Amino acid sequence: DTAVSQTPKYLVTQMGNDKSIKCEQNLGHDTMYWYKQDSKKFLKIMFSYNNKELIINETVPNRFSPKSPDKAHLNLHINSLELGDSAVYFCASSQDPRGLVPYEQYFGPGTRLTVT
Amino acid sequence: DAKTTQPNSMESNEEEPVHLPCNHSTISGTDYIHWYRQLPSQGPEYVIHGLTSNVNNRMASLAIAEDRKSSTLILHRATLRDAAVYYCILRDVVYTGNQFYFGTGTSLTVIP
Repeated sequence: DTAVSQTPKYLVTQMGNDKSIKCEQNLGHDTMYWYKQDSKKFLKIMFSYNNKELIINETVPNRFSPKSPDKAHLNLHINSLELGDSAVYFCASSQDPRGLVPYEQYFGPGTRLTVT
Repeated sequence: DAKTTQPNSMESNEEEPVHLPCNHSTISGTDYIHWYRQLPSQGPEYVIHGLTSNVNNRMASLAIAEDRKSSTLILHRATLRDAAVYYCILRDVVYTGNQFYFGTGTSLTVIP
């Protein structure tokens, strides 16, 4: 069974469109994350959600909005797509980090978004 | 989170040990040292983590300098499957976010 899954794996779309990427984890974790990896392979945190609540929101344009219907799912909705949004987006999950235990994160396989 | 410095790339022969260094001279007393790796076209995966003492698991060993300003990830016998980008990351254990700030990592090439 896949621990952290993302759909779709590939997404090609035109500038100005709105798209969503879905993420699901079956590990029973309380916390989920979105990361963006750009063309230079630099991996950067975007959002962190704990039990459906946003706990971290790095400097990300308002066009990006995470939505968590339940603690097993964290979807990423992107409005008015721009060329610079082209990247690989990774979802991850972990146990609740708000303690003194550095829980490991489990990453999904990534969604390659190409904006033309 | 404190910054880490790693070599951009390293090479190793298959079935030989690999020592991947990481410098973190500004590490604080509550920073854990984490290692993740990213195989081609995959998401990052956990390798190992430690605070002060050396650590071993089925994947690797982590050697932490006594002053904690550097650490070394040790792969005991490199295989072709170990070719990946290895990230050394520091995370403050009292920080609430648990998000990891990835650097540029070390790209490991394993030569058959």
